[in-house]
Amino acid sequence: QVRLQESGPGLVKPSETLSLTCTVSGYSISNGYYWGWIRQPPGKGLEWIGNVYHSGSTYYNPSLRSRVTLSVDTSKNQFSLKLSSVAAADTAVYYCARPQYGSDTNWFDPWGQGTLVIVSS
Amino acid sequence: SSELTQDPAVSVALGQTVRITCQGDSLRSNYASWYQQKSGQAPVIVIFGKNNRPSGIPDRFSGSSSGNTASLTITGAQTEDEADYYCCSRDSSDNLWVFGGGTKLTVL
Repeated sequence: QVRLQESGPGLVKPSETLSLTCTVSGYSISNGYYWGWIRQPPGKGLEWIGNVYHSGSTYYNPSLRSRVTLSVDTSKNQFSLKLSSVAAADTAVYYCARPQYGSDTNWFDPWGQGTLVIVSS
Repeated sequence: SSELTQDPAVSVALGQTVRITCQGDSLRSNYASWYQQKSGQAPVIVIFGKNNRPSGIPDRFSGSSSGNTASLTITGAQTEDEADYYCCSRDSSDNLWVFGGGTKLTVL
């Protein structure tokens, strides 16, 4: 059973870079699949951030593309999110999840439990 | 990339049937996936594909689609179904994913 767990600082200062890691257990990332990040500001809806393939290719939400970098570390069985120049609007619960691709459908499963990141000085 | 539109809130009487809808151009070529999110918890997939339920999801949850509209139907809503529901789809043309704004379901 694949399990995902987010980790990283819970507080980031404005203009700095938010860095989070998702540790995968129950599956070796080097074997394949895409991996993704989704966020949810307090009291608001879900926002897709981007997906990264095990080889490193990426797809980003156009609204965040200029500030986001996703990467994979197969040696640690982890994938990571970096979001630069953060502001208060980036305060959110950040989830990692596995995007799954079907012939005519796509879904995220499983999800990590989420980690709250607050942007504040 | 496309957008997905959901009604912000829906209510249903206990034991009755409720339909939650999601509209968007990407739904013409891809089925939506649906997620249930209870307060303080991570989202959980409830429906994907034409009408597929992951293991553990009650069969009172079902999905359907027509044109640019996807629907999640709960037949015989229970108190534990009170939650936020989100639809999601991928735009095949650019491989970008999008979530609907979410629907808050209240079971009366």
